[in-house]
Amino acid sequence: GAVVSQHPSRVICKSGTSVKIECRSLDFQATTMFWYRQFPKQSLMLMATSNEGSKATYEQGVEKDKFLINHASLTLSTLTVTSAHPEDSSFYICSPRRGLNNEQFFGPGTRLTVL
Amino acid sequence: GENVEQHPSTLSVQEGDSAVIKCTYSDSASNYFPWYKQELGKGPQLIIDIRSNVGEKKDQRIAVTLNKTAKHFSLHITETQPEDSAVYFCAASSTGTASKLTFGTGTRLQVTL
Repeated sequence: GAVVSQHPSRVICKSGTSVKIECRSLDFQATTMFWYRQFPKQSLMLMATSNEGSKATYEQGVEKDKFLINHASLTLSTLTVTSAHPEDSSFYICSPRRGLNNEQFFGPGTRLTVL
Repeated sequence: GENVEQHPSTLSVQEGDSAVIKCTYSDSASNYFPWYKQELGKGPQLIIDIRSNVGEKKDQRIAVTLNKTAKHFSLHITETQPEDSAVYFCAASSTGTASKLTFGTGTRLQVTL
């Protein structure tokens, strides 16, 4: 169990466009979804936390109007990077949490490159 | 808030040897300690976790130990293989709906032939 899918795996876009990343927990229900970004050779940086049907809570320094998170159901969450710029280029990873025991799993990640 | 320190940042071992990665945490309320393995270009994979009600947990060649008094926990990999080469992250959190994982800075493990 604990299979997480994330699409697309890689995207290249022009500056100013918006990109949507989709994350699904395929065999369990995610009570909470976390979104991370990761720069090369660095640790994971939490961007935001969302619970199904609720607005996301963003970490300090993360622009909520730029990174739109929708947690539509217990198995689906999306992250939209709006008006992307080169500095938004990074590896974005979703992480659904299963149940109340805090087991947290990760998607395969999305490599975003903004030209 | 929680602070997790991880050492070493890089570790090179010969195939068949053991590897040990150590982490310390600061918040005594933390009671859940997972370890993740991240291969290049992929998302982290949960490989083992331990909760504060036990001191050690083992799964084949992987074991984790926890010392609550000293606030440190360690990952032990025995009989290392080239496919164990990856970046390993420790993490800590409390439990509950508002809890979040705090990650260490990662250890790059290289298993050489």
